[in-house]
Amino acid sequence: QVQLVESGGGVVQPGRSLRLSCAASGFSFSSYAMHWVRQAPGKGLEWVAVIWYDGSNEYYADSVKGRFTISRDNSKNTVYLQMDSLRGEDTAVYYCARAMPGSLRAWYSEHWGQGTLVTVSS
Amino acid sequence: QSALTQPRAVSGSPGQSVTISCTGTSADVGGYDYVAWYQQHPDKAPRLLIYDVTKRPSGVPDRFYGSKSGNTASLTISGLQAEDEADYYCCSYAGRYTVMFGGGTKLTVL
Repeated sequence: QVQLVESGGGVVQPGRSLRLSCAASGFSFSSYAMHWVRQAPGKGLEWVAVIWYDGSNEYYADSVKGRFTISRDNSKNTVYLQMDSLRGEDTAVYYCARAMPGSLRAWYSEHWGQGTLVTVSS
Repeated sequence: QSALTQPRAVSGSPGQSVTISCTGTSADVGGYDYVAWYQQHPDKAPRLLIYDVTKRPSGVPDRFYGSKSGNTASLTISGLQAEDEADYYCCSYAGRYTVMFGGGTKLTVL
């Protein structure tokens, strides 16, 4: 079955960087777009970024554009989120999610990992 | 980018029906038929319930029904069960290759 396992979370100081990883298994990774979605403590879901199945396109929420970079390595079945210039408001559980099949439904997150907590604090 | 507007909380008794609304604009909910709903139990990852406004992924009971009129999408849950108690989020394609979530609605089964 589909499995997504995030890693790389932790405590980081404001202004520093952190890279999250999401290891995928149980499906043909190179055929699906992948998302990152975050959830601040006690708050709602916020979409962060998406990368196309072949890495040809990547799109971001305005709140992270220019600071975060999504990438993938299809040979390793892994998607990444490089987070630079971190701020307190970036504190959240970060989920990676597999999109539904097909370009028209790439906006939907069908399968989710369990998330990794990122805390930005001095 | 502002979140889509959902009621903070709704409630219903077992067996009853409840409807959760999700109001956006013509730039998101009203402009595209790319609306989804997610269910999230405490300390769990979200689960996709509805996509393309009305469609259910395999395994989602037909008690969950999605609809849309103008800039407002709705999720109706019929035959409420105790396990339906959770947070519900709407989600829409918002143009410029971005996605927007609603603020979330807490459903209490009385």
